[in-house]
Amino acid sequence: GAGVSQSPSNKVTEKGKDVELRCDPISGHTALYWYRQSLGQGLEFLIYFQGNSAPDKSGLPSDRFSAERTGGSVSTLTIQRTQQEDSAVYLCASSLVPPRGYNEQFFGPGTRLTVL
Amino acid sequence: DAKTTQPTSMDCAEGRAANLPCNHSTISGNEYVYWYRQIHSQGPQYIIHGLKNNETNEMASLIITEDRKSSTLILPHATLRDTAVYYCIVRVGGTGFQKLVFGTGTRLLVSP
Repeated sequence: GAGVSQSPSNKVTEKGKDVELRCDPISGHTALYWYRQSLGQGLEFLIYFQGNSAPDKSGLPSDRFSAERTGGSVSTLTIQRTQQEDSAVYLCASSLVPPRGYNEQFFGPGTRLTVL
Repeated sequence: DAKTTQPTSMDCAEGRAANLPCNHSTISGNEYVYWYRQIHSQGPQYIIHGLKNNETNEMASLIITEDRKSSTLILPHATLRDTAVYYCIVRVGGTGFQKLVFGTGTRLLVSP
């Protein structure tokens, strides 16, 4: 079946513009995660959704960052008034949340954001 | 989540076994050891996980020491496609939110 998909694959924007990044999780996965990876760095957790609600937003770097999820499926990460330090690869992952045991996260290919 | 320590980089000849170590000396009793890898320009990919016992799947084997303070990921016959950054992560198993905390990982280079 289809994996996690993200769009666009690449986004170049000017400083100060708003951007929207989209994630389509694997069908039936109730949990959805956003991470970002700056050049040469490990992954940084941003936000997690369980269904349409986001119980953990602790990783969002500033109030310029927001995310929503509708219908328990597609999620959008919005960055307002982008800054050059926002340049990174933004990765989305989804998982089942079983009643017990582990929940492997399946990652999408990422969106490479470049802020000029 | 417990912190992990991995070598920055390792080399391996194609066809040989690649043994990637990970130290997690502060791991607690309910934390699992997970391995993911990230091939260049792709998202991370789950490899294997374990709690106490050694585990094997079609991709790799995971050897966890008896005191659980370290583990080794084994790729039995490394191929060029196994060149990637390998991340060792420990986290609590069970239900609910499972944030992955990635360190800088081990960059494995498999050469012909």
